[in-house]
Amino acid sequence: TQLLEQSPQFLSIQEGENLTVYCNSSSVFSSLQWYRQEPGEGPVLLVTVVTGGEVKKLKRLTFQFGDARKDSSLHITAAQPGDTGLYLCAGPKNTGNQFYFGTGTSLTVIP
Amino acid sequence: EAEVAQSPRYKITEKSQAVAFWCDPISGHATLYWYRQILGQGPELLVQFQDESVVDDSQLPKDRFSAERLKGVDSTLKIQPAELGDSAMYLCASSPGTGVNQPQHFGDGTRLSIL
Repeated sequence: TQLLEQSPQFLSIQEGENLTVYCNSSSVFSSLQWYRQEPGEGPVLLVTVVTGGEVKKLKRLTFQFGDARKDSSLHITAAQPGDTGLYLCAGPKNTGNQFYFGTGTSLTVIP
Repeated sequence: EAEVAQSPRYKITEKSQAVAFWCDPISGHATLYWYRQILGQGPELLVQFQDESVVDDSQLPKDRFSAERLKGVDSTLKIQPAELGDSAMYLCASSPGTGVNQPQHFGDGTRLSIL
């Protein structure tokens, strides 16, 4: 059973389009992190959201934490080929600085 | 290039053979993690170290997998004997401490293929 479900699992879009990736859980998390992983590399942390309802922006990427802290979304405006990669959300377990990772969304942006 | 160093980048071996992966975390990072990642999925934790001590190895298949971090710095993950189902990316990550929102820094992984 995956604690963090991401949707869609795969997404292929044209350059310049907008997209939204979702991370959902039935559990409440104190925070959620978003990572991007490019092929052949390890995940790289993009952002951590901590407060329910929080919105953070990173250039063309907008991250939102749900009011109930059970879900999060990542919106990309005017996608570029460099945005291609696997997007992962991660939420902390109760102890030991361990994280549950989501099922992942594989994004391909076609030039 | 990742600050967490892993080697080798790629490993191809036959089933029943022994394989070993090495990780050198960011200097000063007390916490070290080994993850296994199936292609296109999220990483799954195998083992967590705090300095030289194992904090959690509940998901490590101990009949064939072992991990050590003898001096609390670099770490080795071993599989013996390897099975076909072990083919995956093995990622190492480190973080400064044990706080809940401590960021994890990942290496570029070792891609293991079992023939």
